[in-house]
Amino acid sequence: NAGVMQNPRHLVRRRGQEARLRCSPMKGHSHVYWYRQLPEEGLKFMVYLQKENIIDESGMPKERFSAEFPKEGPSILRIQQVVRGDSAAYFCASSPTSGGESSYEQYFGPGTRLTVT
Amino acid sequence: SQELEQSPQSLIVQEGKNLTINCTSSKTLYGLYWYKQKYGEGLIFLMMLQKGGEEKSHEKITAKLDEKKQQSSLHITASQPSHAGIYLCGADGTGGGNKLTFGTGTQLKVEL
Repeated sequence: NAGVMQNPRHLVRRRGQEARLRCSPMKGHSHVYWYRQLPEEGLKFMVYLQKENIIDESGMPKERFSAEFPKEGPSILRIQQVVRGDSAAYFCASSPTSGGESSYEQYFGPGTRLTVT
Repeated sequence: SQELEQSPQSLIVQEGKNLTINCTSSKTLYGLYWYKQKYGEGLIFLMMLQKGGEEKSHEKITAKLDEKKQQSSLHITASQPSHAGIYLCGADGTGGGNKLTFGTGTQLKVEL
């Protein structure tokens, strides 16, 4: 069973460009979470999605950031008009669909390291 | 908002020694998660604790959640170089298991 997949692993963008980060959850998982780890800072929650629904986006910056998890395909975190402050590691996590204690376990992908030049 | 404090911030131990990392929450926890992160890599899920007084073990790593559900400890027995990395505790403060708040991490180095 493959783990959470993220691509690209490294992404370099110039200021003003768009960044698209992709996350494929583990098989059997329909809950996806995005977190951001800024240099010298801890991991911060951004958004929680289920298929075709944004459940909690309380950690998303108000502008330029958006996320989706379509019925088919990976979850996408999109950052428009990137600025240097967006440089960070972006992690995706997924959790199982089924109920019970295991449904609370979040498994993380390897992350996408975004560098804005 | 929920805050998590980890101690120590960093730790250097000799191979074979035992060690403990602590995680303290400012609020009651619905769930406490332990992860390990190697520099520049993703997080590896270690354990999740939900009930007061709960204790779980995986290989040489044991984690406990206190009765009041505000403090957790991670104990490694007979440390090995493979245990080196950054240990992060994460908290579910809402009960939904959806939005985790993380501590700043404890960096562990194991010397031969």
